[in-house]
Amino acid sequence: EVQVLESGGGLVQPGGSLRLSCAASGFTFNSYAMSWVRQAPGKGLEWVSGIGGNDDSTYYADSVKGRFSVSRDNSKNTLYLQMYNLRAEDTAVYYCAKGDGTNNYYYTMDVWGQGTTVTVSS
Amino acid sequence: AIRMTQSPSSFSASTGDRVTITCRASQGISNYLAWYQQKPGEAPNLLISAASTLQSGVPSRFSGGGSGTDFTLTIGCLQSEDFATYYCQQYYSYPFTFGPGTKVDIK
Repeated sequence: EVQVLESGGGLVQPGGSLRLSCAASGFTFNSYAMSWVRQAPGKGLEWVSGIGGNDDSTYYADSVKGRFSVSRDNSKNTLYLQMYNLRAEDTAVYYCAKGDGTNNYYYTMDVWGQGTTVTVSS
Repeated sequence: AIRMTQSPSSFSASTGDRVTITCRASQGISNYLAWYQQKPGEAPNLLISAASTLQSGVPSRFSGGGSGTDFTLTIGCLQSEDFATYYCQQYYSYPFTFGPGTKVDIK
């Protein structure tokens, strides 16, 4: 079964850092682009960041550019999101999502995890 | 960034109704448009890609259309399990962007 499972969320103070992980299984991880999408409480979906499957090209939303860094370890089938200088407005459920495989750069997200919650508060 | 809008933002409908949700992009995106369904407490679920391609396992009462800047999601005969929030998303250019969502609830 194709699955992705997020971990690493928690409570962090403003200005703090956190690293999220996404463990993938059931598919050839290095062949697929991956994305992070977040959802603030009671709000809609916001794409945060993406990374190519085999060339490590990375992309970010303007709201996180310069503060977040996406990476992957294909030997561990794991996606990461390193978050620095966190703000209250980064509070959200963070979802890991698998690209559909049709293209390394422009893709829909066909498998989603259940999300991990990040709360930024003092 | 490409801005996505949806209309209506919410509406009430009855089981058996035919409903249509509209999504508009601030610039042309060809057919690089996806639709997702999200139920409370759950992750989003991909329904349609490339504006009109139904994903495997998605009921045929769902259909998508459009190209360029204007798109639609139609549910042909609303079922109880379809009451949810629907999001469109463009993947034509970075950053990917979602519409604000359309909540469909029970009349």
